[in-house]
Amino acid sequence: AQTVTQSQPEMSVQEAETVTLSCTYDTSESNYYLFWYKQPPSRQMILVIRQEAYKQQNATENRFSVNFQKAAKSFSLKISDSQLGDTAMYFCAFMNSPNSGNTPLVFGKGTRLSVIA
Amino acid sequence: NAGVTQTPKFQVLKTGQSMTLQCAQDMNHEYMSWYRQDPGMGLRLIHYSVGAGITDQGEVPNGYNVSRSTTEDFPLRLLSAAPSQTSVYFCASSRGQGLEYEQYFGPGTRLTVT
Repeated sequence: AQTVTQSQPEMSVQEAETVTLSCTYDTSESNYYLFWYKQPPSRQMILVIRQEAYKQQNATENRFSVNFQKAAKSFSLKISDSQLGDTAMYFCAFMNSPNSGNTPLVFGKGTRLSVIA
Repeated sequence: NAGVTQTPKFQVLKTGQSMTLQCAQDMNHEYMSWYRQDPGMGLRLIHYSVGAGITDQGEVPNGYNVSRSTTEDFPLRLLSAAPSQTSVYFCASSRGQGLEYEQYFGPGTRLTVT
């Protein structure tokens, strides 16, 4: 079974600075999908960014970008120009490709990020 | 579209009671899932469905039942509530499985079992 590990339970960053959240995963598949979700205090789950394992180019969404290292099975999230609204729990998640069976998302335990003014 | 709706938002049960958490989506999504979120544990998959009439177990299915008689609804039943089932429960849906099929999450149900 796939596992997702987030080794940083809590992190903090000064407003306008850059922070990187770590995520590693374990799988024997060659194609799969990786996601970062944000959960603010409202509890709503918000998709931040997504990446397909076959694509070598790192995904970017505005201030959010990933560093995808397939050989190392690493998928870190970089937040640039941090804003107070970025304060939230961040979850890394893994999904098999459809060819590997119908399996929903597998989540890591999360990293609580606090942005400090 | 209302998206994914969950009822109730909050619930308190006594040990041994049963109840059903409701989940509905109006996006004609085939895939639906139930997760529970506990402090320090992330979201763990309870049960999921890839279409009406088809369900399967996730990582933590014990103590929960599901059925999928329609595309829109995916209720989660607690047969005999236990304090270990105190958690926040999320329902999610998507059109399919893949990068382009975004998962939509409901607002969650906070359940306390005393």
